[in-house]
Amino acid sequence: AQSVTQPDIHITVSEGASLELRCNYSYGATPYLFWYVQSPGQGLQLLLKYFSGDTLVQGIKGFEAEFKRSQSSFNLRKPSVHWSDAAEYFCAETYNQGGKLIFGQGTELSVKP
Amino acid sequence: DGGITQSPKYLFRKEGQNVTLSCEQNLNHDAMYWYRQDPGQGLRLIYYSQIVNDFQKGDIAEGYSVSREKKESFPLTVTSAQKNPTAFYLCASSGGQGQETQYFGPGTRLLVL
Repeated sequence: AQSVTQPDIHITVSEGASLELRCNYSYGATPYLFWYVQSPGQGLQLLLKYFSGDTLVQGIKGFEAEFKRSQSSFNLRKPSVHWSDAAEYFCAETYNQGGKLIFGQGTELSVKP
Repeated sequence: DGGITQSPKYLFRKEGQNVTLSCEQNLNHDAMYWYRQDPGQGLRLIYYSQIVNDFQKGDIAEGYSVSREKKESFPLTVTSAQKNPTAFYLCASSGGQGQETQYFGPGTRLLVL
């Protein structure tokens, strides 16, 4: 069965430090991959997506992600974290099966001043 | 502004009662989805619809029902058969037909009295 794994349940970084959130997908063929962010009690906001082409994709709020087929990974990065980045981050994939998204468990990001 | 609206923001259900969550979109999207979010479990798909008057069960459809009579509306009914309905419910939509990016509403929190 398809699955998405986010190994880190909770990460704490200092403001201004770099960030990398890990995501591994299970399917061998090229999936459609997404990163979403959710603030408490809110809906999900799309940060970026990968469908094909350049494996390094840029998103909103200074985030980027790199698709690595050999590692089945799609890690999210940001060079300098701001306090407002504290939220929960979800990685997701779909294989065009009616557009059904498979979500990871989420990674909660805390930012220290 | 184009977007997805969900109402109400909070909903209380008494035992044995059916309740209906509203989801409306003005993005002219063909596909709509309902997800349930529980702490530490990510998002799980309840139902989805790729076109008006058609819908399919997701991974956790038991105790829920939906209708899709209009393109812009996809209400979700939580029936009395759903024994553990307390959760955060998120509605999403996508263009469908290969346009797989899903956009989310702000969510409805359902609580049991």
